[in-house]
Amino acid sequence: GQQLNQSPQSMFIQEGEDVSMNCTSSSIFNTWLWYKQDPGEGPVLLIALYKAGELTSNGRLTAQFGITRKDSFLNISASIPSDVGIYFCAGPDQGAQKLVFGQGTRLTINP
Amino acid sequence: DAGVTQSPTHLIKTRGQQVTLRCSPKSGHDTVSWYQQALGQGPQFIFQYYEEEERQRGNFPDRFSGHQFPNYSSELNVNALLLGDSALYLCASSLGPGNNSPLHFGNGTRLTVT
Repeated sequence: GQQLNQSPQSMFIQEGEDVSMNCTSSSIFNTWLWYKQDPGEGPVLLIALYKAGELTSNGRLTAQFGITRKDSFLNISASIPSDVGIYFCAGPDQGAQKLVFGQGTRLTINP
Repeated sequence: DAGVTQSPTHLIKTRGQQVTLRCSPKSGHDTVSWYQQALGQGPQFIFQYYEEEERQRGNFPDRFSGHQFPNYSSELNVNALLLGDSALYLCASSLGPGNNSPLHFGNGTRLTVT
């Protein structure tokens, strides 16, 4: 099946710094999704991308759908403590809602 | 407007036992999907239910089965539990099975098999 590889696996940054993480696949995706999961909770959708080259923002978050359709990037500007959590990329595998997830990027922020 | 609710929140079972997890979808949603999330990993798709039928299935053995009721709520059953079944089980609901309706996840049931 399709696999998504996220990097880095973990990040330790200072409050106020910008963050960048990415997700790559060996196969093409037609949709890229970015989720955030807080401890003890389920994933929450942050940004959805539906078109190659698309750049979409949600507040301080910006995500891009790679031109090759095999990668996506998520950037967070001016990080704040509530940005702490695990960020997952995901894409549909043979079905719009049969999602395959990356292994996540864990973000830790030092105040 | 209630979101996706799952019960119980935590569960401890012994190897070989059977377990049933429950999910109520977000109001207005008719499709339920189940995911297994092992510690330190991303969620893995188990199966999806729509119109009380299993529509899609991931790479999970037949020990994993499910059901959807007329009110759209769903159950996940796991038989003959193994230690490796210990995980967070997430339910997600959406409107329709095949379009781009975004998934809304519940907070999961943490299953520990001893």
